[in-house]
Amino acid sequence: AQKVTQAQTEISVVEKEDVTLDCVYETRDTTYYLFWYKQPPSGELVFLIRRNSFDEQNEISGRYSWNFQKSTSSFNFTITASQVVDSAVYFCALSVRRSQGNLIFGKGTKLSVKP
Amino acid sequence: EPEVTQTPSHQVTQMGQEVILRCVPISNHLYFYWYRQILGQKVEFLVSFYNNEISEKSEIFDDQFSVERPDGSNFTLKIRSTKLEDSAMYFCASSEVGQTDTQYFGPGTRLTVL
Repeated sequence: AQKVTQAQTEISVVEKEDVTLDCVYETRDTTYYLFWYKQPPSGELVFLIRRNSFDEQNEISGRYSWNFQKSTSSFNFTITASQVVDSAVYFCALSVRRSQGNLIFGKGTKLSVKP
Repeated sequence: EPEVTQTPSHQVTQMGQEVILRCVPISNHLYFYWYRQILGQKVEFLVSFYNNEISEKSEIFDDQFSVERPDGSNFTLKIRSTKLEDSAMYFCASSEVGQTDTQYFGPGTRLTVL
């Protein structure tokens, strides 16, 4: 069975601090896909990144970076120099090749960035 | 930029009533999905749909639920006889190919069952 664990329920930081959101996944499939979505207070789900299991390269997009480590089954997300607009719930999700795209979500981490 | 749209944004209904939630996926997408999120909890997969039939469904998606693509643009989720525990945010998503591709989500429909 597949599972995604986001152990941090809530994180609070002050603006301009760096923050890392942890994600640990479980699957026996060798081909899988990992995602991060952002859910701002308005409620929609905003896609941030997709990573497949064969690509362990870290990725940076502006203030966002992602660290994928298969050895520890982790796909962590770092926001550098956080801003108030980063305040949201962040979900990590997993999809395995056998399924028809069924996304398995973690419980989410609520990030509050205070001015 | 193309986006998934959902109507209504908020639906209030009485227990036992039927509701239909509507979604318009991104036009060139082939896979469609419904997820739900009970308030304060994680997002849960309900069903995926491809080529006019259900591809996969979760345990949540019981006989009370059905999906349909009634025309070339809409994708609907019907709940036949709503229960209090059906109160949740329902998200529609679509993707171009399927499990190998990214799902883009609509803004959600908040369903409140009284």
